[in-house]
Amino acid sequence: DIQMTQSPASLSASVGDRVTITCRASQTISSYLNWYQQKPGKAPKLLIYGASNLQSGVPSRFSGSRSGTVFTLTINSLQVEDFATYHCQQSYNSPLTFGGGTKVEIK
Amino acid sequence: QLHLQESGPGLVRPSETLSLTCNVSGGSIISETYYWAWIRQPPGKGLEWIGSISGNTYYNPSVKSRVAMSVDLSKNHFSLKLRSVTAADTAVYFCARHRATRQPEFFDFWGLGTLVTVSA
Repeated sequence: DIQMTQSPASLSASVGDRVTITCRASQTISSYLNWYQQKPGKAPKLLIYGASNLQSGVPSRFSGSRSGTVFTLTINSLQVEDFATYHCQQSYNSPLTFGGGTKVEIK
Repeated sequence: QLHLQESGPGLVRPSETLSLTCNVSGGSIISETYYWAWIRQPPGKGLEWIGSISGNTYYNPSVKSRVAMSVDLSKNHFSLKLRSVTAADTAVYFCARHRATRQPEFFDFWGLGTLVTVSA
C-alpha cells in the first residue's frame, strides 16, 4: 500500500495567518492527490483534487501544489471557518489511502 | 444537491456482523461515472477506504475476506456488511460518492458518518 504521511499532526494559528500542510507519499503518485476538510460532526468536504484543482465552491484562499512526492495545502489568510482537520488521499494505486490528518486549531 | 445518510446499529458484539445502509437522495444511485463507497475512521485515527461498488465491487485487501457491499436500485441505497468484527472495527463509518472512472479518483459527497462500537 502507498503510505501517506501528513505533517504536522496539528498546528495552532491565528485568523489571518498563512497555513501550510504537507503530505508526503511513499512512492510516486503522479498528481493523483486530493485534500479534504473535516469539521467535528460534519461530513468531510472535498477541497482540492489532482493536487492543485479547486473543487467548485471552495474559496480561492485554498491552494494545492506538488513537488515530486511532496504535496502542500496552503490556506492564505486563515478564517474562523477554516479551523478543522485536513486529510490528503492518493488514488494512484488501490487501495486508496489517506494521510493521518492535520488538525488546525485556534491560537 | 446530493445527500447521503448512513443508518444501522451503533453497537455490535464481537464476532458478529456489522450491517450499515446508506440512503442516497437528491440524485440517482444509477451512474456510469460514480461508484459508491464506504470509508471508516477509528477513534483518533485517520480515514480508511473500505471499498466501493458500482456494477462491480472493489475492496481494500485489509478487509476483503470479511466484507460485502451491495446496491438496491429500487430503494436508491447501498449497504455494507462486515463479518466477524473485533474491537479494531470500532469506528465512524462514512458512505460517500466515489468518482472512480478516471483519475484522480476522489470522494465528492459524504454522509455525516455513524459511530459503530464493537463491544460485548
